[in-house]
Amino acid sequence: NAGVMQNPRHLVRRRGQEARLRCSPMKGHSHVYWYRQLPEEGLKFMVYLQKENIIDESGMPKERFSAEFPKEGPSILRIQQVVRGDSAAYFCASSYSRDKAFFGQGTRLTVV
Amino acid sequence: EDKVVQSPLSLVVHEGDTVTLNCSYEVTNFRSLLWYKQEKKAPTFLFMLTSSGIEKKSGRLSSILDKKELFSILNITATQTGDSAIYLCAGSSGTYKYIFGTGTRLKVLA
Repeated sequence: NAGVMQNPRHLVRRRGQEARLRCSPMKGHSHVYWYRQLPEEGLKFMVYLQKENIIDESGMPKERFSAEFPKEGPSILRIQQVVRGDSAAYFCASSYSRDKAFFGQGTRLTVV
Repeated sequence: EDKVVQSPLSLVVHEGDTVTLNCSYEVTNFRSLLWYKQEKKAPTFLFMLTSSGIEKKSGRLSSILDKKELFSILNITATQTGDSAIYLCAGSSGTYKYIFGTGTRLKVLA
């Protein structure tokens, strides 16, 4: 059973471009969470999704950020018109129920 | 505001030493506390604690929760260089929104 898979591992974008981060949860997991980790800071909750539904996006900036978890395929975190401050490690986690979550390797986004 | 505070922020020890990492929390409707080990990138699940006073063990690692005093400790005995990592503590209200501390950076010297 593969763990939580995220890709790409590293992503470089110029200011103003779009970033798409993908997350495939563990097999059998229908709950997906996205967290952001800034340098020297802890993980901060962004959004919680179940299949085709956003349950809680209270940690996600209102502008430029969106997330989806379609019926088929991975969950996508999308950042439009990236700025330098978006540079961070973005982690996806999944769980079977609202229980312990397992994290992916993360995507390190660098905005130049 | 919910918060989780870890101490120390960083720790350097020699192989064979025993370390204790601390985590205090203030989480509304607290239900569980989780410990993760973060090496290079991915946080790896270690323990989930829901009951006070019951120690969980996994090899050289153990952890316990005190719900009265709102803290948890993570012990690592006979440390090895492979234990070098950032140890993250997170409080959960049983929903999905973990509140993470900033972590303790442990370095074990050979």
